Amino acid sequence: QVQLQESGPGLVRPSETLSLTCTVSGGSISSYYWTWIRQPPGKGLECIGYIYHGGTTNYNPSLKSRVTISVDTSKNQFSLRLTSVTAADTAVYYCARVRGSGSYYNEPFDYWGQGTLVTVSS
Amino acid sequence: SYELTQSPSVSVSPGQTASIICSGHKLGDKYACWYQQKPGQSPVLVIYEDNKRPSGIPERFSGSNSGNTATLTISATQAMDEADYYCQAWDSSTVVFGGGTKLTVL
Repeated sequence: QVQLQESGPGLVRPSETLSLTCTVSGGSISSYYWTWIRQPPGKGLECIGYIYHGGTTNYNPSLKSRVTISVDTSKNQFSLRLTSVTAADTAVYYCARVRGSGSYYNEPFDYWGQGTLVTVSS
Repeated sequence: SYELTQSPSVSVSPGQTASIICSGHKLGDKYACWYQQKPGQSPVLVIYEDNKRPSGIPERFSGSNSGNTATLTISATQAMDEADYYCQAWDSSTVVFGGGTKLTVL
């Protein structure tokens, strides 16, 4: 059973950089696409971007200038960096797996982490 | 940019059928999937590729997608089905979520 676990600071100061890591267990990070999704308190889901184990990325156009997603296959982890954060970036951040092996288009997200709340505040 | 629209809320009596609708331009030309999210929990995939159920999802969950509308149908709704439901589709290389529908079972 694939499991995902987010880790990182729960509090980030405005204008600083949010950094989170997702550790994948119970399966290899290889051959799949992986994604970061966030959910502001009381609001809906927003896909931040996704990455293939080989390093190919695609980002939400609204966040593209501030986002970097990277992968470390040796650690079975992938990471999120979001720069110049504001209060609007306060959200529960989820990592998830894209279902299709080697593909992403039209594929759903089948395994999710438990989510981690990141608050942007001074 | 592509948008998916959902009604904010739907109510259903226990044992009855609930229908949750997701609308988008030519959505029927894409695959739609649905997630269930209960308070304080991560979303769970309940329908993918319009009408397929992942392992472990009860048969009372079904889906359809045609024209501009995808529908999640929950038959014989139970109290445990009370949750937020999100539709999702891909538009080119972009992931799009609907705004979510809160299903109340009363």
